[in-house]
Amino acid sequence: GENVEQHPSTLSVQEGDSAVIKCTYSDSASNYFPWYKQELGKRPQLIIDIRSNVGEKKDQRIAVTLNKTAKHFSLHITETQPEDSAVYFCAARIWGGGADGLTFGKGTHLIIQP
Amino acid sequence: EAQVTQNPRYLITVTGKKLTVTCSQNMNHEYMSWYRQDPGLGLRQIYYSMNVEVTDKGDVPEGYKVSRKEKRNFPLILESPSPNQTSLYFCASSLGQGNTEAFFGQGTRLTVV
Repeated sequence: GENVEQHPSTLSVQEGDSAVIKCTYSDSASNYFPWYKQELGKRPQLIIDIRSNVGEKKDQRIAVTLNKTAKHFSLHITETQPEDSAVYFCAARIWGGGADGLTFGKGTHLIIQP
Repeated sequence: EAQVTQNPRYLITVTGKKLTVTCSQNMNHEYMSWYRQDPGLGLRQIYYSMNVEVTDKGDVPEGYKVSRKEKRNFPLILESPSPNQTSLYFCASSLGQGNTEAFFGQGTRLTVV
């Protein structure tokens, strides 16, 4: 099955600086890569996703890049703000594999220092 | 409002006492899943369902059962809970197979003593 590795497990950055979280996946058949943000005590919520036919996608201060050859994808957050503090999960899914489940990374706790 | 609703939000029970966590979605989604979240382990899939009467095991199915008798409901059943099932549980639904967003319920924090 799919295996998703996520790094780092904790990331502390100064407010206003950029943050980058990296994930690698094992199954080359995976073709959908969402990122979820989970604030303390709340449910995970989708913040951005990318399909395998796209190399980069941006939405305001967040962007995701995908390198299919290397089987890794990254989340980039620019001009970080206190409300960006949360746990971020990457995930991968295989289309048509008969399984709807997302395989998640173990999460990155992003801390924005004032 | 489109949502996934889980109940209860919090539950403390004793070892061996059967329990059910309910999950309901109002978006007519075909796919539903259960995940458990543990510190340092992220979200791991327990069971999933691709449609009514179609269910299959995820990565950590031991000690759990599910059923999908109606499209909107996907209950998680613990026949004989044990302390290692103490966790935060999330139900999720998505429109269908492929590149579709998964919507999560608000979570159920289960403690088995």
